[in-house]
Amino acid sequence: SAVISQKPSRDICQRGTSLTIQCQVDSQVTMMFWYRQQPGQSLTLIATANQGSEATYESGFVIDKFPISRPNLTFSTLTVSNMSPEDSSIYLCSVQEYEQYFGPGTRLTVT
Amino acid sequence: SQQGEEDPQALSIQEGENATMNCSYKTSINNLQWYRQNSGRGLVHLILIRSNEREKHSGRLRVTLDTSKKSSSLLITASRAADTASYFCAAAGSARQLTFGSGTQLTVLP
Repeated sequence: SAVISQKPSRDICQRGTSLTIQCQVDSQVTMMFWYRQQPGQSLTLIATANQGSEATYESGFVIDKFPISRPNLTFSTLTVSNMSPEDSSIYLCSVQEYEQYFGPGTRLTVT
Repeated sequence: SQQGEEDPQALSIQEGENATMNCSYKTSINNLQWYRQNSGRGLVHLILIRSNEREKHSGRLRVTLDTSKKSSSLLITASRAADTASYFCAAAGSARQLTFGSGTQLTVLP
């Protein structure tokens, strides 16, 4: 199974600022996904990031707020822009092999 | 993506007992996957069952799938305190995105 790392593991940010989360995979994968998990909640898909094309966003998520880069088959970034306390969540990237595997998550707190 | 439902939302059992969690989903699927999450950490993949399978085993885990009822269950046998975690089902459709259930918080008491 793919080994996925994320940076940072956690951060505390002030409202109005932006944070970029990095996701690194130890093998080349076509499909990568970004999820959000709000406190005490389940996971919600933000977007699908395929290399060489624009990310596809789910309803309720927009590129201006969550820009995504996918420069190659092992790396992706998610930026949380103009943050507010409502953005406090765990952000997880995942990759699709046959099964889907998740990174350890980035715990974001916005004050 | 619409989330599925899991029940119970919370389950507390004694060590050695079996734990059963149920999951329902809303659309047709290619497969259904179960995950464990400890205290807000990353998700650990437990088991995948394909849409043409009805039952699958992995160690102390047993998963069933009923596509006619759009439901699945996860059974953990002979539970241990280390099984205490949140458990999520996730339905994979044709586009491969996962739609997660609401989760079951399992507490295994020593």
